[in-house]
Amino acid sequence: DTGVSQDPRHKITKRGQNVTFRCDPISEHNRLYWYRQTLGQGPEFLTYFQNEAQLEKSRLLSDRFSAERPKGSFSTLEIQRTEQGDSAMYLCASSPSARDQETQYFGPGTRLLVL
Amino acid sequence: KNQVEQSPQSLIILEGKNCTLQCNYTVSPFSNLRWYKQDTGRGPVSLTIMTFSENTKSNGRYTATLDADTKQSSLHITASQLSDSASYICVVSPNRDDKIIFGKGTRLHILP
Repeated sequence: DTGVSQDPRHKITKRGQNVTFRCDPISEHNRLYWYRQTLGQGPEFLTYFQNEAQLEKSRLLSDRFSAERPKGSFSTLEIQRTEQGDSAMYLCASSPSARDQETQYFGPGTRLLVL
Repeated sequence: KNQVEQSPQSLIILEGKNCTLQCNYTVSPFSNLRWYKQDTGRGPVSLTIMTFSENTKSNGRYTATLDADTKQSSLHITASQLSDSASYICVVSPNRDDKIIFGKGTRLHILP
C-alpha cells in the first residue's frame, strides 16, 4: 500500500453514461497525476495538478474528460458520454513536490469497462 | 523524440532462477531512471531510482544498473520467487520536466 487510494476499484458502465473516479493522494503531497493504462502498455499521462492548479493536460484528454482538485487534496476525474475506447485502467499518482527527482507514488487504479 | 524501449516484452523463468530485464532510452537531457513493479490489477510500485551519476542501485533481490553513456539500464532479479511475477516498467525523467516517460514494461512469469 503506497498511501494513495482510488475509488472505485472497478467500474462497469454502459456506453454513453458518465463516470467519476476519485483519488486521495498522500496527504502532504503537492503534485497529483492522472494516467491511463491499457493492457500490455505503460501508463499514459493525462493531466497533473500542483496543489489545486491543473498545470498540464495531454492531448489524450478529450473534451469529454475533466479533472478537478478543488482544495488541493483529493482529485476527481470525470468522463462524460463514455465510449468503449475509454475502457482502461485509470491510475492516480502523487509526489511531494515539483522536483523531478521525486518518486511518484501510484494508487491501485480504477479499472473501467464500458459496454 | 523521447522514448523508452524495454525488452523482452515477456519472460518466463523457473522459480529460483535469475533474470535480467533491459531498458534502452533516447531521453535527453536525462535526470533519473526508475524501475517500477506492477502486479496485475494494481498500480506500479517503485523499486529503484538512479540519477545519471549512479551506476547501480539495489533493493533486496533487485539490482538496477545504469550506463548513461549508452543510455541503457538493466534490472537483475536474483533467486526469483513466485511473487516476482509482475510487469516491470522502466521510467525515465527528462531534466527539469516532470512529465515522466514510461516504457511498455516486461511481463515476467515465474513458474514453480
